[in-house]
Amino acid sequence: DQQVKQNSPSLSVQEGRISILNCDYTNSMFDYFLWYKKYPAEGPTFLISISSIKDKNEDGRFTVFLNKSAKHLSLHIVPSQPGDSAVYFCAATPNTGNQFYFGTGTSLTVIP
Amino acid sequence: DTAVSQTPKYLVTQMGNDKSIKCEQNLGHDTMYWYKQDSKKFLKIMFSYNNKELIINETVPNRFSPKSPDKAHLNLHINSLELGDSAVYFCASSQGSGGARSIQYFGAGTRLSVL
Repeated sequence: DQQVKQNSPSLSVQEGRISILNCDYTNSMFDYFLWYKKYPAEGPTFLISISSIKDKNEDGRFTVFLNKSAKHLSLHIVPSQPGDSAVYFCAATPNTGNQFYFGTGTSLTVIP
Repeated sequence: DTAVSQTPKYLVTQMGNDKSIKCEQNLGHDTMYWYKQDSKKFLKIMFSYNNKELIINETVPNRFSPKSPDKAHLNLHINSLELGDSAVYFCASSQGSGGARSIQYFGAGTRLSVL
């Protein structure tokens, strides 16, 4: 049962514009959410996270928004750069235990 | 200096063989993990160890046996390899669980091909 879902397998955006990647989850016990970026032939790299007590966290060009009532989070990248082209995974973890759930990923292509 | 390193990067072997993948982290983390990324690119946790103790053991065939000689190492041994074991295996580590402690850092992956 997929508890974290990324319904868009791919996204193309023009350089300089905003990229919005979406993620939905089903488990109300999740209380910490993360985004990872993955280049081919490399492991996932941590990008940004958000606790369930917040609704927004910003780090440079990256902002994560959390809507707990909708069980939805999104990652905004602005402005998008060609180097941002990668697969982005969202992940969630509950408040107890070490279980970690990943979405299936969204492949972002930023067109120069 | 690589934070989480796993070897080998590529592993090609015949069905029925036994193979091991090694993982080491120099981050001083207490918790280590093994993930399998299948052909659909889905990352699924297999095992998690905290201070050398097994804490997560997902529905994985018992041909897969993790071994943690110390908290900086978590090796994965696979017996009687099958075609369906072909995948990319990722090792990861975190400080622990809960909030920012749960942030995991990944190795570069081991691409296993079973012929």
